[in-house]
Amino acid sequence: GQQVMQIPQYQHVQEGEDFTTYCNSSTTLSNIQWYKQRPGGHPVFLIQLVKSGEVKKQKRLTFQFGEAKKNSSLHITATQTTDVGTYFCAPTGTASKLTFGTGTRLQVTL
Amino acid sequence: DAGVTQSPTHLIKTRGQHVTLRCSPISGHKSVSWYQQVLGQGPQFIFQYYEKEERGRGNFPDRFSARQFPNYSSELNVNALLLGDSALYLCASSADVNNSPLHFGNGTRLTVT
Repeated sequence: GQQVMQIPQYQHVQEGEDFTTYCNSSTTLSNIQWYKQRPGGHPVFLIQLVKSGEVKKQKRLTFQFGEAKKNSSLHITATQTTDVGTYFCAPTGTASKLTFGTGTRLQVTL
Repeated sequence: DAGVTQSPTHLIKTRGQHVTLRCSPISGHKSVSWYQQVLGQGPQFIFQYYEKEERGRGNFPDRFSARQFPNYSSELNVNALLLGDSALYLCASSADVNNSPLHFGNGTRLTVT
């Protein structure tokens, strides 16, 4: 299956600071999904990116898919304590089989 | 509408025993997938079922099996439990198998002692 690495593994920010997590693959991806998992919770779907160079925004969250479709990023502007959790990228393989990345754990403090 | 429901929420088993975990998908969803999540790691794909047929299998031993019923609910069975099987088992449903978003249940926390 497709292997993806996410960086950083962990980031601690002050509320109001920006945050970015990167998802990198050695192979070209068909499309990619992003999920958020709160501590003690389950993954929740955020977005799916399909097109090369695609950029999608959800309020303070901006998702990008690289031109070569080998990387993706999630940027959060002005983090809030509600943003705490682990963010996973997940390239889609055959059918709806997802291969989750290693995840980036975000901690936000006041 | 009810989301994905899983039972039980927690389970403690002894090595060598077997376990059955259950999942009911969102109404109208025909695909169910199972994932294993070890603490501190991302979910690992175990199985996917669609219309009662296995559509994908992850890199798990034959001790792991699953099935999907006519009402699209699903069971995950694990035989001869090992300590390393301790994890959160997540069930996810999707409308189809065309890269639709996954909707996860709250999971079953399995502890093997």
